[in-house]
Amino acid sequence: QVQLQQWGAGLLKPSETLSLTCVVYGGYYWNWIRQPPGKGLEWIGEINHGGSHSGSTKYNPSLKSRVTISADTSKSQFSLKLSFVTAADTAVYYCARVDCSGGTCYFDNWGQGTLVTVSS
Amino acid sequence: QSVLTQPPSVSGAPGQRVTISCTGSSSNIGAGYDVNWYQQVPGTAPKLLIYGNNNRPSGVPDRFSGSKSGTSASLAITGLQAEDEADYYCQSDDNNLSGYVFGSGTKVTVL
Repeated sequence: QVQLQQWGAGLLKPSETLSLTCVVYGGYYWNWIRQPPGKGLEWIGEINHGGSHSGSTKYNPSLKSRVTISADTSKSQFSLKLSFVTAADTAVYYCARVDCSGGTCYFDNWGQGTLVTVSS
Repeated sequence: QSVLTQPPSVSGAPGQRVTISCTGSSSNIGAGYDVNWYQQVPGTAPKLLIYGNNNRPSGVPDRFSGSKSGTSASLAITGLQAEDEADYYCQSDDNNLSGYVFGSGTKVTVL
């Protein structure tokens, strides 16, 4: 397992836009996942990398109206933007790669995580 | 509130066997989707432990095993070791979400 590299601003004010970027190689789908302090993992969204549906996205319905995931395949990078953040968006954000083998798919590589704090 | 339900904590003495349950529904595990398991040491990123219900990635000890039946799955750790102290999460696909869902997480404590 290889650790992906991610970066972005760690301190935001309410109503600002969260922006994170991740470098990833290979895999079928590129994802963002978050974890509020002391809590469990929440899937944010995914972008399809490669194949006939390359560039297609899907998002968690609870965040869909505020989330945009995009990719620059020439740089093997993908990004997360989450608009109008509030304190409830304070979390460690992870990028993760989905790989598929034997008919099943799974998160096989993760970024190191970025703590994003929303505070006025 | 997580879609997949796990016990908050389990514990065992070194060398013992512990199991962690993951209960879903007809829209995820019961729909036939595979279950994956991740181990997370506090302060670090999750690490893939089991994929496709019962497959171990290279480097994962065979003390870890997974199973799935109906709308539930289980992770078993045999020969518990101090280094197994961590949080464990199950994960599957979900038709209602049209995406991925995680379990609520289980903290394993080695006594």
